[in-house]
Amino acid sequence: QKEVEQNSGPLSVPEGAIASLNCTYSDRGSQSFFWYRQYSGKSPELIMFIYSNGDKEDGRFTAQLNKASQYVSLLIRDSQPSDSATYLCAVVNTGNQFYFGTGTSLTVIP
Amino acid sequence: TAGITQAPTSQILAAGRSMTLRCTQDMRHNAMYWYRQDLGLGLRLIHYSNTAGTTGKGEVPDGYSVSRANTDDFPLTLASAVPSQTSVYFCASSDSESPTDTQYFGPGTRLTVL
Repeated sequence: QKEVEQNSGPLSVPEGAIASLNCTYSDRGSQSFFWYRQYSGKSPELIMFIYSNGDKEDGRFTAQLNKASQYVSLLIRDSQPSDSATYLCAVVNTGNQFYFGTGTSLTVIP
Repeated sequence: TAGITQAPTSQILAAGRSMTLRCTQDMRHNAMYWYRQDLGLGLRLIHYSNTAGTTGKGEVPDGYSVSRANTDDFPLTLASAVPSQTSVYFCASSDSESPTDTQYFGPGTRLTVL
C-alpha cells in the first residue's frame, strides 16, 4: 500500500468552476499535510499546508482534512486556465518521513 | 535571495560514468533532500540530511551517495550511472525548526543516462 495516493486524472473543469482534488494516506498517525502545484517542466511549489481537521482557506484555495477518514482534499474556486498544472499531495508520517503522491493533472478549459 | 540552486540544468551521461549533481541553498535551512521524479511514480526520496554532518537513506537510495559538509551544500553523486537513473532530480530544503516543515524545491536537473 502506498503511503499517499492520488487519482492521476486528468481532471478537466471549465473556467470559473470548482476543481476538487483528493488524496488519501495510509499512516493514521500522520500530522502534517501539504499541497504543491507543479507546472510542466518546473519544480513543485507550495500552495497550502494543513494540520488540523476541518477546512483551511487561502484565497481561492481551500484545503480540507479528515483524519478519521485519512483523506485530504484541495478545492480551487473560480478555476482559471493558469491553474492548469499537476497538484501533488504530501504527507509527513509518524516516522517523520515526507511522502508525495504521484499527482493529479488538472486542466482548466477556457 | 536565490533560494535553492541546482547544477547542471541538464546532462547526458554515458552509462558507467560518474557524476555529481550540485545543490546549494542560501536560506540556512537545516534539512535538505534529494528526490527523483519519474512519470507515473511521482517524487521519490533518494537521500536526506537533517543537519550538517548527518545523512540518511530515503525510499530509493541504491546507486546514489550524498554528503553534507556544511549547511548550504548537499551534492548527490552517481558513482557508476545506469540507464534506469535517467530522471529529473530535485533538491529541496526545509527549516526543520519550523512546525510547518515546508519543503522548498530547486529548479531540477534533467539527467539522461545512455
